[in-house]
Amino acid sequence: AQRVTQPEKLLSVFKGAPVELKCNYSYSGSPELFWYVQYSRQRLQLLLRHISRESIKGFTADLNKGETSFHLKKPFAQEEDSAMYYCALSGGGSNYKLTFGKGTLLTVNP
Amino acid sequence: GAGVSQTPSNKVTEKGKYVELRCDPISGHTALYWYRQSLGQGPEFLIYFQGTGAADDSGLPNDRFFAVRPEGSVSTLKIQRTERGDSAVYLCASSLIAASNTEAFFGQGTRLTVV
Repeated sequence: AQRVTQPEKLLSVFKGAPVELKCNYSYSGSPELFWYVQYSRQRLQLLLRHISRESIKGFTADLNKGETSFHLKKPFAQEEDSAMYYCALSGGGSNYKLTFGKGTLLTVNP
Repeated sequence: GAGVSQTPSNKVTEKGKYVELRCDPISGHTALYWYRQSLGQGPEFLIYFQGTGAADDSGLPNDRFFAVRPEGSVSTLKIQRTERGDSAVYLCASSLIAASNTEAFFGQGTRLTVV
């Protein structure tokens, strides 16, 4: 079974502070991991995926298979980063279904 | 419009009534997905279409839920005999192909309230 756990429902930081949104997963094979973001009054959109190994809007996420984690990090948070963040997993290959965590609401205070 | 379009954006219905939710995917996208998001939860998979056929409907909660995509483009999610527990945001997404590392583009969702 696929499961994604985001332990923090809420995370509040000050502008310029580092931020880390935690994500742990459970899957028996080799999953694909994603971070999706939903800004206020906007639709859910892809932020980044582990396979691309990219940095988007200053965010990075490293897949740690030993710890089954895919934490999202940014060294200096900005107010415009305030949003709901969802970690998601698909099973890889032909397993296209996304399993989402419950989400973390990030608030970056001025 | 370049994005996934869902109508209506809001729907209030009485318990026991029938509702239809519509999704217009991005043109050319062959894969279409329906998810349901209850309050305080992440989206949960309902059904997936590849072209016209429902390739995987394992997420549909019971036989009151049904979805179609007759021409391989627009899809309709149908809920019979609605219950209060069906209240949620119903999200549609599409992708160019059905592959695990392909980006899924989401619509704004339909907020269904059953009273």
